[in-house]
Amino acid sequence: AQSVTQLDSQVPVFEEAPVELRCNYSSSVSVYLFWYVQYPNQGLQLLLKYLSGSTLVKGINGFEAEFNKSQTSFHLRKPSVHISDTAEYFCAVKGGSYIPTFGRGTSLIVHP
Amino acid sequence: KAGVTQTPRYLIKTRGQQVTLSCSPISGHRSVSWYQQTPGQGLQFLFEYFSETQRNKGNFPGRFSGRQFSNSRSEMNVSTLELGDSALYLCASSLEVDQPQHFGDGTRLSIL
Repeated sequence: AQSVTQLDSQVPVFEEAPVELRCNYSSSVSVYLFWYVQYPNQGLQLLLKYLSGSTLVKGINGFEAEFNKSQTSFHLRKPSVHISDTAEYFCAVKGGSYIPTFGRGTSLIVHP
Repeated sequence: KAGVTQTPRYLIKTRGQQVTLSCSPISGHRSVSWYQQTPGQGLQFLFEYFSETQRNKGNFPGRFSGRQFSNSRSEMNVSTLELGDSALYLCASSLEVDQPQHFGDGTRLSIL
């Protein structure tokens, strides 16, 4: 089985401040890891993915994430957030024949 | 390149009715997955199709079914609708299985 835990349901932050959204996973097999963003009344948009190779992954809109196998984590970071980054962020894991599993989401709220 | 297209965007039904939702994947994508998103349960996997074959199925009752056509377009059907089926239904496509998924904007289904 596999599972994803997003440790924070809501993260408030001021504009231009750094942010980290935390994601931990468990799986009995090797996994692919993803971060998605969802804006109101829209579907999910892929921010970045880890399939193999370098553990530091860079995505769109200035986001990056680091895969840490020993800590089974895949935290999302951005050095300086903008108002437009306000959205719901989902961490997801896919491994072997298991179905894709998504976290419950973290609501990032950027204040001016 | 056109994205994933879901129709209709909004739908209102009453208990006991049935509904069919449609998804057109990105051109060339052969894998299509369906998800149910609700505030209480988050994003839950319904099923995945690849080359007209159901490859994976989530933990949903038999009232939920789907299919994929030879052009990769997919439909999902829900019979005997219940109030709890009110949700945003998202379709996602990818080139192959285990590849990053591209989501449509969803169909918001409301059951009265």
